[in-house]
Amino acid sequence: EPEVTQTPSHQVTQMGQEVILRCVPISNHLYFYWYRQILGQKVEFLVSFYNNEISEKSEIFDDQFSVERPDGSNFTLKIRSTKLEDSAMYFCASSINRGDTEAFFGQGTRLTVV
Amino acid sequence: RKEVEQDPGPFNVPEGATVAFNCTYSNSASQSFFWYRQDCRKEPKLLMSVYSSGNEDGRFTAQLNRASQYISLLIRDSKLSDSATYLCVVVFSGGYNKLIFGAGTRLAVHP
Repeated sequence: EPEVTQTPSHQVTQMGQEVILRCVPISNHLYFYWYRQILGQKVEFLVSFYNNEISEKSEIFDDQFSVERPDGSNFTLKIRSTKLEDSAMYFCASSINRGDTEAFFGQGTRLTVV
Repeated sequence: RKEVEQDPGPFNVPEGATVAFNCTYSNSASQSFFWYRQDCRKEPKLLMSVYSSGNEDGRFTAQLNRASQYISLLIRDSKLSDSATYLCVVVFSGGYNKLIFGAGTRLAVHP
């Protein structure tokens, strides 16, 4: 069964460092997303991406965040200068159609900023 | 008012019990509705979509009341494997590219 894969599963970084979280969406999907979940809190939308551009972003997704689809398969989330409060589980998701159809989530990257 | 609100639980029920979860949403123009399931420290997975006419999938029944902006999930004959957090998810009209999650309702099924 096709699945969304994310690497790494766990990343520890020092405050102020840049991190890149990687995702390989399901191959025939057209819409890609990043969500985050701070421990004990709800899943929050960060950004959606379609046709090689951001289609929507939340207020969390400030100038420190960027996304890229550098080739035909990878979808990355970059945090330029990490803060302690960026510590969370980051989920990549993809859907074949827009966001009101089923979204398939990757297993997540747990980011710990120290 | 929160965009999507759920009773956090936990609901502790014995195997075989019937349990119901409720969810309310704030945006009356909401477009699509889902229940996702999330196991501890895992990714959310779609359990079922929710339609205006209500829908059933085995032991699970979901209902939508647009007038009251209310969604429900009923689980019959609970199994140990049903233990998880159940997430109410809404897509708001005009926000077709993002899911709005509730904080989830935790279910613990015991022998």
